[in-house]
Amino acid sequence: QKEVEQNSGPLSVPEGAIASLNCTYSDRGSQSFFWYRQYSGKSPELIMSIYSNGDKEDGRFTAQLNKASQYVSLLIRDSQPSDSATYLCAVNAVFSGGYNKLIFGAGTRLAVHP
Amino acid sequence: DAGVTQSPTHLIKTRGQQVTLRCSPKSGHDTVSWYQQALGQGPQFIFQYYEEEERQRGNFPDRFSGHQFPNYSSELNVNALLLGDSALYLCASSLTGTSGVGEQFFGPGTRLTVL
Repeated sequence: QKEVEQNSGPLSVPEGAIASLNCTYSDRGSQSFFWYRQYSGKSPELIMSIYSNGDKEDGRFTAQLNKASQYVSLLIRDSQPSDSATYLCAVNAVFSGGYNKLIFGAGTRLAVHP
Repeated sequence: DAGVTQSPTHLIKTRGQQVTLRCSPKSGHDTVSWYQQALGQGPQFIFQYYEEEERQRGNFPDRFSGHQFPNYSSELNVNALLLGDSALYLCASSLTGTSGVGEQFFGPGTRLTVL
């Protein structure tokens, strides 16, 4: 069973702080990793993709990948109340025959308070 | 450039009925994946369509079926609805390349309520 684990939260941070969201996965063959943001009642929105070990930065967001530890994280700098949402970690799991599909964690709810 | 579109937005059905949900992928995308998202859970993979064929399927019963049309749009059909089928149904669009399915972009979803 290929799995993706996230702390459900809520993770509460003050405005302007750094929010750190973590995710572990079980499939060592996975090569693609994604973070989605989902506001209440809305659909998931892709905010970061990462494919290589190390850090990838995009504006206030930094994704970190460590394949040896099977660990992906998302850092949000200068957190704003508008960042309050559920953050979903998704891993592209590879199956026999070359097929792949996204496996999602249950999400971490982030609350940024003024 | 239109994003992923889904219809209808909301749907209310009773147990035992059948439902059809529709999805149009982003321009230039050729792969459609369907997900079910229950409240408080991450999206669960139902199946994926590429070149008008079901390429991969998750742990969902045969009551869930689908189709992809030559223009890459797709339908999800659910027969003999159960109360437990109440969920947000998401369509994700992507482009299949040599390394497999690329980034997936979601439509707004269809909220299905089964009474």
